[in-house]
Amino acid sequence: GQQVMQIPQYQHVQEGEDFTTYCNSSTTLSNIQWYKQRPGGHPVFLIQLVKSGEVKKQKRLTFQFGEAKKNSSLHITATQTTDVGTYFCAGAGGTSYGKLTFGQGTILTVHP
Amino acid sequence: DGGITQSPKYLFRKEGQNVTLSCEQNLNHDAMYWYRQDPGQGLRLIYYSQIVNDFQKGDIAEGYSVSREKKESFPLTVTSAQKNPTAFYLCASSPQLGRWTDTQYFGPGTRLTVL
Repeated sequence: GQQVMQIPQYQHVQEGEDFTTYCNSSTTLSNIQWYKQRPGGHPVFLIQLVKSGEVKKQKRLTFQFGEAKKNSSLHITATQTTDVGTYFCAGAGGTSYGKLTFGQGTILTVHP
Repeated sequence: DGGITQSPKYLFRKEGQNVTLSCEQNLNHDAMYWYRQDPGQGLRLIYYSQIVNDFQKGDIAEGYSVSREKKESFPLTVTSAQKNPTAFYLCASSPQLGRWTDTQYFGPGTRLTVL
């Protein structure tokens, strides 16, 4: 079945440093979604990428979808303590019939 | 105030007991999902449903059962057959199953501990 791998599993940064998490799918995706889960909370939708090579920005967050629609990345510029949490990518497409396949998530810790 | 509710937030059970986790949504969504979250393993799909009285197994359905008697409700029963039931359980919904661009809305989760 479809697999989505996400790295790194953990990332510790000093406040102000940049952060990137990467997502790779075993199959071509129709779209990829990103979610953020604050400590003790539940996943909350951030953004969706649909087009090959698409780049979207949300303030300090930049999301990219690969040309082959099999990989994606989330980059945070100048992290803040409010960025702490777990970031998940979730792929849709192929044989998943609209279900999302989640990556393992990257746990981000920001040290003040 | 629209959204998904799960209750209770924390649940403790003795080994060998069945337990039912509640999930209710008032978003008028057709599709509902149950995920299990363990440290370092992301979200794994247990069951999903696209319509009342219909549901399908996800990737880790063994030891779990569900029902969908009403559109807004999708309770999950963790049976004694589930070998390692202690986990964080998340319920989610989306407008429609099978529509690639639909996002999922998650409830606050239930943390189940089996003693």
